[in-house]
Amino acid sequence: EAQVTQNPRYLITVTGKKLTVTCSQNMNHEYMSWYRQDPGLGLRQIYYSMNVEVTDKGDVPEGYKVSRKEKRNFPLILESPSPNQTSLYFCASSLRGTGSSGANVLTFGAGSRLTVL
Amino acid sequence: AQSVTQLGSHVSVSEGALVLLRCNYSSSVPPYLFWYVQYPNQGLQLLLKYTSAATLVKGINGFEAEFKKSETSFHLTKPSAHMSDAAEYFCAVSGYGNNRLAFGKGNQVVVIP
Repeated sequence: EAQVTQNPRYLITVTGKKLTVTCSQNMNHEYMSWYRQDPGLGLRQIYYSMNVEVTDKGDVPEGYKVSRKEKRNFPLILESPSPNQTSLYFCASSLRGTGSSGANVLTFGAGSRLTVL
Repeated sequence: AQSVTQLGSHVSVSEGALVLLRCNYSSSVPPYLFWYVQYPNQGLQLLLKYTSAATLVKGINGFEAEFKKSETSFHLTKPSAHMSDAAEYFCAVSGYGNNRLAFGKGNQVVVIP
């Protein structure tokens, strides 16, 4: 089954304790992205990657890191989590749009709910 | 840069009544427009997508949206609401050759029996 898998789905942690949220897709997609969802703010893009070893900041990158060493994986790293990073996180992937095609349809993971105390 | 505006964070609709969710976009290039739906405790899934072909786009579950360039709008409608339509709906925009999507703040739809 074509899917984006995120882990963990739920996590409670404390301020300053490094954590990684993993994301893996099995569709051979070039484009991957992380979003955070907060009430009243919709989805905001944290980082995105156009292909292996190519990553770029989204709209709210502060406090986060990513890497793209393999095409299928795009982990989100919080080096020193703070309470304002308590949120619902989504990983998504798609084929890379080219020419006039614009963005392709994103496939989303089920989400990772993170609480930082 | 592209952006979308969705007004009214919570929308209540009676079962069997028209569902209308408004989306206005801003884009300096020809836009590609999307509506996504998020059911409780799930990720987002695509409802429909506008890619500069037909201006009236039909999606899943009886939803459709009409692209109006003169009004910079892409409103989502469904003639008759069903209880299963209770969800959060997001409008999103990308530009020509641009993979990034900008999402609106979402509309939480409540269906009243």
